[in-house]
Amino acid sequence: AQKITQTQPGMFVQEKEAVTLDCTYDTSDPSYGLFWYKQPSSGEMIFLIYQGSYDQQNATEGRYSLNFQKARKSANLVISASQLGDSAMYFCAMREGGNTGFQKLVFGTGTRLLVSP
Amino acid sequence: DAGVTQSPTHLIKTRGQQVTLRCSPKSGHDTVSWYQQALGQGPQFIFQYYEEEERQRGNFPDRFSGHQFPNYSSELNVNALLLGDSALYLCASSLAQTFLLYGYTFGSGTRLTVV
Repeated sequence: AQKITQTQPGMFVQEKEAVTLDCTYDTSDPSYGLFWYKQPSSGEMIFLIYQGSYDQQNATEGRYSLNFQKARKSANLVISASQLGDSAMYFCAMREGGNTGFQKLVFGTGTRLLVSP
Repeated sequence: DAGVTQSPTHLIKTRGQQVTLRCSPKSGHDTVSWYQQALGQGPQFIFQYYEEEERQRGNFPDRFSGHQFPNYSSELNVNALLLGDSALYLCASSLAQTFLLYGYTFGSGTRLTVV
């Protein structure tokens, strides 16, 4: 079974600094995808970034980038120039289901990020 | 473009009661998945509906059931509520053809408290 591990329960960063949130994964499927979601206190899960296992380059979306190290099975999220509004829970998730018609996401336990002024 | 809408936002029920949660998917999406998120945990997959049928089910008892309607909206029903069913229930919609790239669009959830 696929597994996602997020070892940082909480992270603190000062405004305008960069922060890295760790994520390691375990899978035997050669084809997989990794997602990062942000969950503010409102509860909604907001899609941030996606990395496919066959993508040649690391994914980037604005201030978010994904440090994908396939051999180490890690997919760390890097947030540059942190803002106060970045304070939230962050979840790493893996797409499970291979190339079948059914797909679901398996989530890690999350990291709470607190950005201070 | 409306996202995923869930109702109600909050709910308090007594042990043994039954509850129905509702979800309207994002416009254009045809697949609805339900997740349970206990406090301090990541979301856990309950089941997924596609073409009005339950496509796959996670490790949840039969007390959890669902339905998808022709307009793609969905309901989650939980019978004989237990204290342990207290959680945030997230509905997520997706389009089968684009899930591989974009994953889900989530709603804000229904926070269920069982007393």
